[in-house]
Amino acid sequence: DAKTTQPNSMESNEEEPVHLPCNHSTISGTDYIHWYRQLPSQGPEYVIHGLTSNVNNRMASLAIAEDRKSSTLILHRATLRDAAVYYCIRTQGAQKLVFGQGTRLTINP
Amino acid sequence: KAGVTQTPRYLIKTRGQQVTLSCSPISGHRSVSWYQQTPGQGLQFLFEYFSETQRNKGNFPGRFSGRQFSNSRSEMNVSTLELGDSALYLCASSSGLAGRDIQYFGAGTRLSVL
Repeated sequence: DAKTTQPNSMESNEEEPVHLPCNHSTISGTDYIHWYRQLPSQGPEYVIHGLTSNVNNRMASLAIAEDRKSSTLILHRATLRDAAVYYCIRTQGAQKLVFGQGTRLTINP
Repeated sequence: KAGVTQTPRYLIKTRGQQVTLSCSPISGHRSVSWYQQTPGQGLQFLFEYFSETQRNKGNFPGRFSGRQFSNSRSEMNVSTLELGDSALYLCASSSGLAGRDIQYFGAGTRLSVL
């Protein structure tokens, strides 16, 4: 399976940027990096995905290292609503999403 | 557009029984994937169906099966229930294949096996 490594938990303050790291050292050229998050009592929710270059959307930014062995999800201004478990997922071509344990993000008011 | 709908939301069964869970994908989506979520194992992939064909299967025993209908609705069946099958079962749909397109998840069916 396509494994990624993330810290178990992180903490940040409201209205500050948050950088969530992910290691995927065995990534191959066609693997995408996806980020999903799961709020309490809900199903996972798509955040962002990318292949090689950095990506931005209304929710977050994704910075992918030049060697693609790591990436960082950036929440520019965290709110209490961003408290969730964040999953970094690597897909091999059109294969299934393999979820790891994720990073539990706590946002302090 | 309506989101992914899973029914029922909650279910209580006893060991040895069987159960069928239902998932209605977003209109126009052709891929439906199923996941099992438990506190110990996290989110684990069960299988993916695309245009009525199973494309991918996770590492689960044959007691777990699924199917997809021509309208893309999907059902998941678990036979001979065990206590360890207690979990949140999540369904996700995407317009294309699961690994390429955004997956939209339902709220899940929480199954308790007594």
